[in-house]
Order: sequence, then C-alpha cells, then structure tokens
Amino acid sequence: NAGVTQTPKFQVLKTGQSMTLQCAQDMNHEYMSWYRQDPGMGLRLIHYSVGAGITDQGEVPNGYNVSRSTTEDFPLRLLSAAPSQTSVYFCASSPLAVNQPQHFGDGTRLSIL
Amino acid sequence: AQSVTQPDIHITVSEGASLELRCNYSYGATPYLFWYVQSPGQGLQLLLKYFSGDTLVQGIKGFEAEFKRSQSSFNLRKPSVHWSDAAEYFCAVAPTSGTYKYIFGTGTRLKVLA
Repeated sequence: NAGVTQTPKFQVLKTGQSMTLQCAQDMNHEYMSWYRQDPGMGLRLIHYSVGAGITDQGEVPNGYNVSRSTTEDFPLRLLSAAPSQTSVYFCASSPLAVNQPQHFGDGTRLSIL
Repeated sequence: AQSVTQPDIHITVSEGASLELRCNYSYGATPYLFWYVQSPGQGLQLLLKYFSGDTLVQGIKGFEAEFKRSQSSFNLRKPSVHWSDAAEYFCAVAPTSGTYKYIFGTGTRLKVLA
C-alpha cells in the first residue's frame, strides 16, 4: 500500500519557470490538500479538494493552481516560479470527515533561484 | 478565527527524562485536535487525536495527550523519552464544519541528549 506519493522529491527551478508537483494517493480518499512548510511557520494550507472536480483556496493560494480530475491525483502547478516559493511542499489526503487524520506524502523540496 | 499556538520552538531533554510539549488552541466549540510527528526528511505521521469523551488520549510510541477545555490546551506527554523521539512535533486543529481548512501550529523541534 503506497499511501500518498509525491514526485519529484527535489527540484531546482529558475525564476519564471513553470512546474507541476505531482501527488497521488491509492486510498480512495475524497479529501486532498497541499501545504508548504517554511522554517518557523509550520504548515500552511495552499489549496485543497473535497472530491474530483472540486477545489478551493487555502491560506496561501497566490502563485499556485490546482485541479482534481480524478480521485487519485491532485497536482500543484507553479505557473511562474518566484524565490518566495522556495519551500518544502507536502500533499495529504484523508476521508471526507473533519475527525479523520490526514495521511502525508514525504514532501517535495523545491528551490527557486 | 481558529488558531493553534505551540509556544516552544525548541526543546531539549535527556534520554529517559519526561517530556511535555505545549499546544494551545483558539476555537469557539470543542475542537478536533491532533498531534503529528515529523522525522527529518519525511512527512507527518499521526501520533494521536482527540474528538470527544475521555480527555486523556493514548497514542503510538508511548505518547499521550490531555485535553483541558478550561485552559484551551492539548499538551503532549511522554514519561520517558528515547533518542529516536528526536523530531519535530505539530499540533493541529480540524476545521469547522464545511471549510475543511486544517490549521497547524508552528511546530516544536525536540532534541534528545544521550
């Protein structure tokens, strides 16, 4: 059982480049989310989805796009990378109920030069 | 608005000593509360959760947490720390109905001295 899989694990981009971070889960979870983790700031929610075709903004959505065409996949797109987006990104999933804990991927470490 | 505060950024304890990590929340009703642990280079793993009922909850790896409504706290404890417990610990609050926006604290990094 793979759980939540994120690719790539590491990536270096130049300012202005675009990129998609991939996230896939095999637990048939309705809820999926993207967070960024920065030193001293904990995890901040970027975007989330409660099912295929449904997405919504989190706390820090600017500069990021998402879509959810299937239950399994929830890619995060950076359209024009900026140095402020240098961070570690985590994808998580859970059943659609607020009392359910989230399952996290191992993260993508992204550096923007 | 909901919020979660972890007042201790870093904590250092000796192996075998007891541990308490603090978490305070701001929420209008009884919240759903979680503690997660993050080992270096990895994602977050659930340690324990509180929804209702018994205010002392047991988790994995010998951890427990106590919910105190009067203090708006959900502190994590372990009687005897092992070197392998060195990690970063996050407290989180589940969202109010309909928003699905989980809120995490800023984390407490635990260092264990041999």
